[in-house]
Amino acid sequence: EDKVVQSPLSLVVHEGDTVTLNCSYEVTNFRSLLWYKQEKKAPTFLFMLTSSGIEKKSGRLSSILDKKEPFSILNITATQTGDSAVYLCAVPSGAGSYQLTFGKGTKLSVIP
Amino acid sequence: DAMVIQNPRYQVTQFGKPVTLSCSQTLNHNVMYWYQQKSSQAPKLLFHYYDKDFNNEADTPDNFQSRRPNTSFCFLDIRSPGLGDAAMYLCATQTSGTGEQYFGPGTRLTVT
Repeated sequence: EDKVVQSPLSLVVHEGDTVTLNCSYEVTNFRSLLWYKQEKKAPTFLFMLTSSGIEKKSGRLSSILDKKEPFSILNITATQTGDSAVYLCAVPSGAGSYQLTFGKGTKLSVIP
Repeated sequence: DAMVIQNPRYQVTQFGKPVTLSCSQTLNHNVMYWYQQKSSQAPKLLFHYYDKDFNNEADTPDNFQSRRPNTSFCFLDIRSPGLGDAAMYLCATQTSGTGEQYFGPGTRLTVT
């Protein structure tokens, strides 16, 4: 059974701190890994990673994948209160199917 | 703007009273998903459609049914809601061949 494990489950930081969120996975047929940000509504897409070692960057957020270990990290630099959310990691799972297996998420709280 | 729309955003129903949640998309994606998300948990896949082909997850209760009359619309029917069915219901779409899913804003279901 495909599995996604995120750590830590929750994190409290001060504005301006840099955080690293972790995602490890076990999947039969790896195709990609996705990061989502979820505030009090539906998840919004952040990144899709398919290749090891290539960093994806969007503003203060960046992510990288290591298919050997296998895991991915999501970095947020100079955190702001608006970064407070649950960050979900997911992998498409099942041979020939398109379902996403989600991790439980990391709840990030950024305090002023 | 192309998007995934869910109606209603909030739904209150009585124990045992059938309820239908709707999802529409203007993305023309051929895959549509329904997820159930309870508080502090990752989204749990209920079922998905690949075009008209319906795929039910093994642990989705029989109480949950779905219809997809055309590419744009998908419905979730809960035949006899129980208190344990109170959750956020998320609809997502995907174009085949990619991992990225686009989520609607969700419908928060309350069962009284």
